[in-house]
Amino acid sequence: AQSVTQLDSQVPVFEEAPVELRCNYSSSVSVYLFWYVQYPNQGLQLLLKYLSGSTLVESINGFEAEFNKSQTSFHLRKPSVHISDTAEYFCAVSVPRLGSGGYNKLIFGAGTRLAVHP
Amino acid sequence: DSGVTQTPKHLITATGQRVTLRCSPRSGDLSVYWYQQSLDQGLQFLIQYYNGEERAKGNILERFSAQQFPDLHSELNLSSLELGDSALYFCASSVEQYFGPGTRLTVT
Repeated sequence: AQSVTQLDSQVPVFEEAPVELRCNYSSSVSVYLFWYVQYPNQGLQLLLKYLSGSTLVESINGFEAEFNKSQTSFHLRKPSVHISDTAEYFCAVSVPRLGSGGYNKLIFGAGTRLAVHP
Repeated sequence: DSGVTQTPKHLITATGQRVTLRCSPRSGDLSVYWYQQSLDQGLQFLIQYYNGEERAKGNILERFSAQQFPDLHSELNLSSLELGDSALYFCASSVEQYFGPGTRLTVT
């Protein structure tokens, strides 16, 4: 079975400061890794994903995450945060499925609430 | 906009009642996934359909059922509702699982 641990439930940070949201996973097989963001009273938006290839993946709004297989981590980073980045961030894993049928289910961490202060 | 639509946005009902939540996946997507988000359980996978067939089942109660129709929209039926069923219910579609805006269910 797979599991995801988000090490920080809340991360307060000042505007324009760097931030790292930590995510560790457990799995005996290879997994796909995802970060989702949930703004207040909204659904989840896919921020970035790692399926294969380069271990560093980037989003269009300045976030990046690095897959580290030896440490089973997929930490999310941003060098300079904005007030608008205030949201809940969820790390998730999925076991690749062979053939057709869509992806397997996502297993989510408990979430990290990022609060950006002016 | 993810392209996934869910109706209704909000639903308030009483214990013991039955409700139906509806999801329309993105155009061309064959997969629909249902998730429940609650304060105590977090985000939990309920069930997946692919092209009309049940593909995977998660922590879905026996009081809950789902189906996917030939036009690929899906419905999640919740019956004999309890206070603890109050939650946000999301559906997602596509291989990357783009999420809809959710239905907030409140059971009183």
